[in-house]
Amino acid sequence: QQQVKQSPQSLIVQKGGISIINCAYENTAFDYFPWYQQFPGKGPALLIAIRPDVSEKKEGRFTISFNKSAKQFSLHIMDSQPGDSATYFCAASKGAQKLVFGQGTRLTINP
Amino acid sequence: DAGITQSPRHKVTETGTPVTLRCHQTENHRYMYWYRQDPGHGLRLIHYSYGVKDTDKGEVSDGYSVSRSKTEDFLLTLESATSSQTSVYFCAISGRGRLSDTQYFGPGTRLTVL
Repeated sequence: QQQVKQSPQSLIVQKGGISIINCAYENTAFDYFPWYQQFPGKGPALLIAIRPDVSEKKEGRFTISFNKSAKQFSLHIMDSQPGDSATYFCAASKGAQKLVFGQGTRLTINP
Repeated sequence: DAGITQSPRHKVTETGTPVTLRCHQTENHRYMYWYRQDPGHGLRLIHYSYGVKDTDKGEVSDGYSVSRSKTEDFLLTLESATSSQTSVYFCAISGRGRLSDTQYFGPGTRLTVL
């Protein structure tokens, strides 16, 4: 079963624009929500993560917005740059061990 | 890649043969994980370990076994490889230091089963 649904599958944004990727989860026991960035031929790398005690977390140009009642969370990339072009994965877990990943979003930033 | 190596990096094998993938860490992390990555599925957890000789199943464990006899090594074995196990396999580690929740991923192993 797909417990974490991610959209869109692919996204094209102009340089300087805002990229938004959304995820929805089903299991209300989940309490850890990370976002991973993956470049071709590389392993995923943690970008930013949030716990459900806060509704938003910002690190530089990257922000997670979290809506516990709707069971949704999203990644916002402000001032998107060509170097942000990558595949992004959301994930969720109870604790931080058994991560369940979304299907991934291929982001392309046009110069 | 946070002190994680995977071997081999690429492997082509035939259906029915046994295959073992190795993950080695130099970071002394408690937890180690094996994931597979397939288009349209993201990453899916196969097995993970929470200590030497302590392992648990993930969401896609059928057809796979694991062993961890030392803190630094986590082996994934396909007893009899099938074409459906063609995938990219990633090892990850976590559980040490200030960022103990963070899972750090290795470079991956591309496995093709003919």
